[in-house]
Amino acid sequence: AQKVTQAQTEISVVEKEDVTLDCVYETRDTTYYLFWYKQPPSGELVFLIRRNSFDEQNEISGRYSWNFQKSTSSFNFTITASQVVDSAVYFCALSEGYDYKLSFGAGTTVTVRA
Amino acid sequence: DAGVIQSPRHEVTEMGQEVTLRCKPISGHDYLFWYRQTMMRGLELLIYFNNNVPIDDSGMPEDRFSAKMPNASFSTLKIQPSEPRDSAVYFCASSSIGTGLSGANVLTFGAGSRLTVL
Repeated sequence: AQKVTQAQTEISVVEKEDVTLDCVYETRDTTYYLFWYKQPPSGELVFLIRRNSFDEQNEISGRYSWNFQKSTSSFNFTITASQVVDSAVYFCALSEGYDYKLSFGAGTTVTVRA
Repeated sequence: DAGVIQSPRHEVTEMGQEVTLRCKPISGHDYLFWYRQTMMRGLELLIYFNNNVPIDDSGMPEDRFSAKMPNASFSTLKIQPSEPRDSAVYFCASSSIGTGLSGANVLTFGAGSRLTVL
C-alpha cells in the first residue's frame, strides 16, 4: 500500500506565483517523521525539511513553508513567490517508528515559467 | 566534506553483463542506503546497512542483485546478469543518528549512477 501520496503529478506556474504541493501520508505508528526533498534537473536529491509526529508547528524557511496537520494526515509544502530556480521534482517522504528507511511519494514536478 | 560519492555516473552495458556500482558515504555516517529511481516505480529502497551490516534487503528485486559494505567507507551494488529492466538511476545515501528525538535520519544522497542496459 502506498504510504505517501502526492496527488499532483505536475504543476506549472508563472514566476512570482505561489505554489502548494500536497502530501498525504498513512501510518499506524505514533512516532514518525516526514520529509521533503527536491530533485532539480541536475538529478541529485536535496533535503529540505524533516518534521516529527510530535511537532505540528508549521515552519517557514525563506520562501518555503510547511503545513503539518495530523488530523488530515497531511504535510503540505508551499513555495511563495516562485522563481525559475524552483523548477524541480519535489518528493514527500515518511519514516516510521525507529525504522530509518524513507518511503517516498511519486513526486510532483514543478515548472516555474519566467 | 565531499558528500556521498558514487561511481560511475553513467554506465551503458549490454544485457547479460555484470554491473558494479560503487558508493563512498560521508565520513562518520553509520547508515548507508541504496535506492533505485525509475519512471514507473519512482524511488524504491533496495537495501540499507547500519555499521556495515545489512538491516533490510527486502527491496532487492531478485537474486541477480547483491550489495556489500566491506567497510565503513565503501559499498557496492552488483547486478549479475543485467537485464534491460534494470535500467534506472541508482542512488546511494548515507546518514547518522539524528540529535534530539531518535529514530529518524536525514539522508544525504549521492549524485546517482544512471544505468542503461541494452
